[in-house]
Amino acid sequence: QQQVKQSPQSLIVQKGGISIINCAYENTAFDYFPWYQQFPGKGPALLIAIRPDVSEKKEGRFTISFNKSAKQFSLHIMDSQPGDSATYFCAASIAGGTSYGKLTFGQGTILTVHP
Amino acid sequence: DTEVTQTPKHLVMGMTNKKSLKCEQHMGHRAMYWYKQKAKKPPELMFVYSYEKLSINESVPSRFSPECPNSSLLNLHLHALQPEDSALYLCASSQDMAGDYGYTFGSGTRLTVV
Repeated sequence: QQQVKQSPQSLIVQKGGISIINCAYENTAFDYFPWYQQFPGKGPALLIAIRPDVSEKKEGRFTISFNKSAKQFSLHIMDSQPGDSATYFCAASIAGGTSYGKLTFGQGTILTVHP
Repeated sequence: DTEVTQTPKHLVMGMTNKKSLKCEQHMGHRAMYWYKQKAKKPPELMFVYSYEKLSINESVPSRFSPECPNSSLLNLHLHALQPEDSALYLCASSQDMAGDYGYTFGSGTRLTVV
């Protein structure tokens, strides 16, 4: 119930292409869905986040699409650049109950953008 | 200041040693977290402090002992660790436990237990 499933495990994209990473969840109590970007030797950095009352959120080249009925959300990176090469984690959290404050991560996607 | 600062960046310790990891933030965040991350895996929650009180302990072994001396500082005391405890230890903070504005992670301490 607490799992967040992320796919694909790895993704190779050409410069200028679109990178798409998908996540699915089971627990309908989740109400906050952030994406984190992590470079080697660094901690995860918040990229963009969405709440279930919104179906899409865009910040620059990064867009989250959210499908509440399907319990799925995805990250789209437009015009992918070599500097976007990193590990991306989706996550989910609940604002209440015994899991209050706990961030549940997906397994991660290693994105490689070739020049 | 929008950073979470962790020290040391690297730590090698023997199984009989006692050491401490330190975390500091000056963003006025009232929730602070310890996560453990193994290579090619997502971070795993260990502890959550809210308003300087321990709110969540994810059944972490007692050889890991957290401490929150004040609202800006978080420590993780280590004693009698095992080689399998080698990992990247990440500290994070958020405005409160709702995490409405996201979590800010530090760069972590790379711990090696020999």
